[in-house]
Amino acid sequence: DAMVIQNPRYQVTQFGKPVTLSCSQTLNHNVMYWYQQKSSQAPKLLFHYYDKDFNNEADTPDNFQSRRPNTSFCFLDIRSPGLGDAAMYLCATRGGGNIQYFGAGTRLSVL
Amino acid sequence: QQQVKQSPQSLIVQKGGISIINCAYENTAFDYFPWYQQFPGKGPALLIAIRPDVSEKKEGRFTISFNKSAKQFSLHIMDSQPGDSATYFCAASIEPGGYNKLIFGAGTRLAVHP
Repeated sequence: DAMVIQNPRYQVTQFGKPVTLSCSQTLNHNVMYWYQQKSSQAPKLLFHYYDKDFNNEADTPDNFQSRRPNTSFCFLDIRSPGLGDAAMYLCATRGGGNIQYFGAGTRLSVL
Repeated sequence: QQQVKQSPQSLIVQKGGISIINCAYENTAFDYFPWYQQFPGKGPALLIAIRPDVSEKKEGRFTISFNKSAKQFSLHIMDSQPGDSATYFCAASIEPGGYNKLIFGAGTRLAVHP
């Protein structure tokens, strides 16, 4: 059973049109991460939540925002997607150990 | 200093052969070194991990060798199978503020030919 669930699996949006990606987890983990992964590249951390505490990576563009209304859910909002934002977006969680559990990702296309 | 360098970028191995992927790091504060396996269209999944106080860890056909003095670690896949064809990422973990940040290598695309 999937423990980190991302919806939708594929998202198409238009240039400049806001889009929201969602992630839910059944692991009750207190840390949730959002990564961006472009083709043939490593995942790049955008930000993470430690419980409700939000932490932005220094090089994450302001265009990317996140919300975590409760332990189970986390959202990635892209306010004005550009062509360069087309990528796979991965959500991950972490509990008490070091293991990060990744979802299957949402592939975002920007037209 | 936060980088993890991974090589080779791509690797072709015959079925039954040994696949070897190497990684190197600079930051001695890293304290956890996982390998993630990623199939096309899927998220990365933890394959095997090691801490710097251990020189080798084996799980089935997968072995991590760790050389603390050289700041290098490698993944060996014995008896490689076509089902092992995937992209492999090494990573190193650091815990600024306790949240466990993974620094990924650039990835190795492995193809195992029948």
